[in-house]
Amino acid sequence: AQSVSQHNHHVILSEAASLELGCNYSYGGTVNLFWYVQYPGQHLQLLLKYFSGDPLVKGIKGFEAEFIKSKFSFNLRKPSVQWSDTAEYFCALNSGGYQKVTFGTGTKLQVIP
Amino acid sequence: NAGVTQTPKFQVLKTGQSMTLQCAQDMNHNSMYWYRQDPGMGLRLIYYSASEGTTDKGEVPNGYNVSRLNKREFSLRLESAAPSQTSVYFCASRNSGQGSYEQYFGPGTRLTVT
Repeated sequence: AQSVSQHNHHVILSEAASLELGCNYSYGGTVNLFWYVQYPGQHLQLLLKYFSGDPLVKGIKGFEAEFIKSKFSFNLRKPSVQWSDTAEYFCALNSGGYQKVTFGTGTKLQVIP
Repeated sequence: NAGVTQTPKFQVLKTGQSMTLQCAQDMNHNSMYWYRQDPGMGLRLIYYSASEGTTDKGEVPNGYNVSRLNKREFSLRLESAAPSQTSVYFCASRNSGQGSYEQYFGPGTRLTVT
């Protein structure tokens, strides 16, 4: 069975601070990994995704994530956060060849001006 | 191109009542999903449909039924609503073709069961 863990439930940062949100997954085979963002009152939107190739993927709004297969991790990073990054961030996993997509419990990010 | 649409946006039910949440997508996607979102629990998969004519249980299917009416539409039915089903429900769709694996989400339905 596939599963996703996000250990940071609530993160508070000041503007311009660097961000790293953890995501670990459990699945032994090929995986597709995603980070989605949900701004207050809105639905989920894709930030970035990893299918294959370069393990460092870049997404929208200056976000990036690194797939480390040996650690079963796909952490999200941003060098300098802005107040507008206040949102909830979800890591998700799809095991290759299957349609089921599993989400983590989410991390709420609050950026203080 | 409306993407993924859901109706209704809000609904209040009494315990024991039934209702159907509607979802439609106009992106010609093969796969469709129903999730519920609860505080601190993220998105939990209720049911999904990998293609027209097929449906599969997710993590939390009890108390729900689904119908993949055609390629565009995927409905979620609560036969006898319970307060534990108070949640925000999101529908999503996804193309299972090569290189198009991300999900597209609808705006959600906020359901309260009293």
